[in-house]
Amino acid sequence: DQQVKQNSPSLSVQEGRISILNCDYTNSMFDYFLWYKKYPAEGPTFLISISSIKDKNEDGRFTVFLNKSAKHLSLHIVPSQPGDSAVYFCAASAYGGSQGNLIFGKGTKLSVKP
Amino acid sequence: GAGVSQSPSNKVTEKGKDVELRCDPISGHTALYWYRQSLGQGLEFLIYFQGNSAPDKSGLPSDRFSAERTGGSVSTLTIQRTQQEDSAVYLCASSLLTTPGNEQFFGPGTRLTVL
Repeated sequence: DQQVKQNSPSLSVQEGRISILNCDYTNSMFDYFLWYKKYPAEGPTFLISISSIKDKNEDGRFTVFLNKSAKHLSLHIVPSQPGDSAVYFCAASAYGGSQGNLIFGKGTKLSVKP
Repeated sequence: GAGVSQSPSNKVTEKGKDVELRCDPISGHTALYWYRQSLGQGLEFLIYFQGNSAPDKSGLPSDRFSAERTGGSVSTLTIQRTQQEDSAVYLCASSLLTTPGNEQFFGPGTRLTVL
């Protein structure tokens, strides 16, 4: 059973528009959430994170929203650029990340068309 | 400074052979993780090392998989008697556990193909 779910395997948006990537989780012990971006043949790179005590975190064009009651988070990219085309992974950790591994979703492949 | 490095970048082996994958973490990072990504799947946790503590091996899929971390730095993941289902990209990551949310820095991965 997947504890972190990304139900959309792919998403295509036009350059300049908003990209919204969604993630759902089932484990109420998760208290920190991260988004990673992965280009082909490279390892994932950290993008943005949010603690469960917040409902929004913004960094430039990237904003992550957390809805704890719905166990749902989303990553917004505004405006989207062709260089944003990559696979985006949602990840979660428990206990502030002081213990062990991250739990990852299966990823959403974002394509930004010029 | 240098990031996480992994070698080899690609490995093709025959079913039944043993393979060793190497990871050099970022200097000073106390935690080291191994994950694998099979085709069309997310990252699957395998094993975690933190300092001198006993590793968390809860993600290893079978006893054919083992890992070591020597001197708190370099790690090797060994797969014995490889099977075709072991084909995947094996990713290593390291982190400073003092960072909130345990931000992990990943290497480029080793693509393992078992024929």
